[in-house]
Amino acid sequence: NAGVTQTPKFQVLKTGQSMTLQCAQDMNHNSMYWYRQDPGMGLRLIYYSASEGTTDKGEVPNGYNVSRLNKREFSLRLESAAPSQTSVYFCASSYRGDYEQYFGPGTRLTVT
Amino acid sequence: EDKVVQSPLSLVVHEGDTVTLNCSYEVTNFRSLLWYKQEKKAPTFLFMLTSSGIEKKSGRLSSILDKKELFSILNITATQTGDSAVYLCAVDYNTDKLIFGTGTRLQVFP
Repeated sequence: NAGVTQTPKFQVLKTGQSMTLQCAQDMNHNSMYWYRQDPGMGLRLIYYSASEGTTDKGEVPNGYNVSRLNKREFSLRLESAAPSQTSVYFCASSYRGDYEQYFGPGTRLTVT
Repeated sequence: EDKVVQSPLSLVVHEGDTVTLNCSYEVTNFRSLLWYKQEKKAPTFLFMLTSSGIEKKSGRLSSILDKKELFSILNITATQTGDSAVYLCAVDYNTDKLIFGTGTRLQVFP
């Protein structure tokens, strides 16, 4: 039982490049989330998916897109990376919205 | 504007000390308050609080919620070096959404 897994662990991009962050959970959770964590800012919600086939914007969605591929997988795409997107990205999942969330190990992304 | 404020921002103590971490919030549609511990990587879940005045306890950690005064505290007794971490408070203010505070960094020295 791996919980929530994320790939890659680290990534360096040049401005304008694109990439997809992958997230998978094996806990049969319905809800999945993407957060970014910046120094002094705490965790901020980018997008979430309450169930397979649905996605909604969070607090800071600009510059990102998501896909809920199936119940297990939720990916985050940066179409044209900017230095302001340098951050640590966490994926999380929960049984449903009113249950506690479980977090993956994070992806440290640097955009130069 | 919905917000969660944690204090202090940072705390340095010696092993054996007792610490109290604070979390106050202003949100619409409050449903629950959660505490997480973050060491090097992923935040790990500690407590979820939904009702005022009911203490939740796990070993040396305990937490309580006051919905009238809009705050929660996390107590850690007999601290150990392994308690060194950032402690995050989050409030569930709508279906599927959490708003996080910026955290309290606790350092416990031998």
